[in-house]
Amino acid sequence: NAGVTQTPKFRVLKTGQSMTLLCAQDMNHEYMYWYRQDPGMGLRLIHYSVGEGTTAKGEVPDGYNVSRLKKQNFLLGLESAAPSQTSVYFCASSSSYYGYTFGSGTRLTVV
Amino acid sequence: GDSVTQMEGPVTLSEEAFLTINCTYTATGYPSLFWYVQYPGEGLQLLLKATKADDKGSNKGFEATYRKETTSFHLEKGSVQVSDSAVYFCALRPLIQGAQKLVFGQGTRLTINP
Repeated sequence: NAGVTQTPKFRVLKTGQSMTLLCAQDMNHEYMYWYRQDPGMGLRLIHYSVGEGTTAKGEVPDGYNVSRLKKQNFLLGLESAAPSQTSVYFCASSSSYYGYTFGSGTRLTVV
Repeated sequence: GDSVTQMEGPVTLSEEAFLTINCTYTATGYPSLFWYVQYPGEGLQLLLKATKADDKGSNKGFEATYRKETTSFHLEKGSVQVSDSAVYFCALRPLIQGAQKLVFGQGTRLTINP
C-alpha cells in the first residue's frame, strides 16, 4: 500500500547507545519531516527536508541528525541516546497538492 | 512565533452527545488550518481542513469553521459514536511560500462511552 513506512516500530536503547530510524515514502513527495510526540505537548518538529540532499532544523533538533540521500528516504539518527529522548517518533511526507501523510510511529524508550 | 492552543483534555462523553473541542491560533497572516485524528497505535490522519477565512471543513460528521475574527477553528460533531474515541490535534500551516511545516496543538484525548 502506498504511504509512509517507519522502521522499527519499537526500540529500547541504553543511555549512550546510537541508532537510526528509517522513514520511506513511495508517493514521490518532495517534503519529509520528523516529529516527536510527548504527552501534553503535541507533535514537535525535529528536522525536515524540502528535497533530496537538503535538510533543515526544526523546533527541537538538539541530539538528532538527519540525512536524505534519496528522495524516498529520510533517516533520523541519535548518536548518543539520552532518557529525555524517550518518545514516539513520527515521520511524515507532503507535497503541495496532497498535504501530509504520516507513518505509524516508532516508540523509543531510552533507559 | 506561530502557535496553536487546544482545549485541555481528556474529554469524556456519552454516545450521541454533542462534541466541541476548542482550538485557537496565533499566526502571521492567514494560515491554513487542520484537524488531525490519531487512533490508538496509529499515526495521524487528516480529518478536515480550511484554507481561508469563513471556510468550513467537514468530514465524517465533524465540522470546523475558520474564524479570522476570533482566530479560532473549533471542532464540532452533533452526535458522537464510540468509534470517535481518539486523540484530536488542531494544526496550522503558515502562509509562507515553499514552507509546509505544520504547527500542532497539544492534542485532546476524547473518550466516548456507550
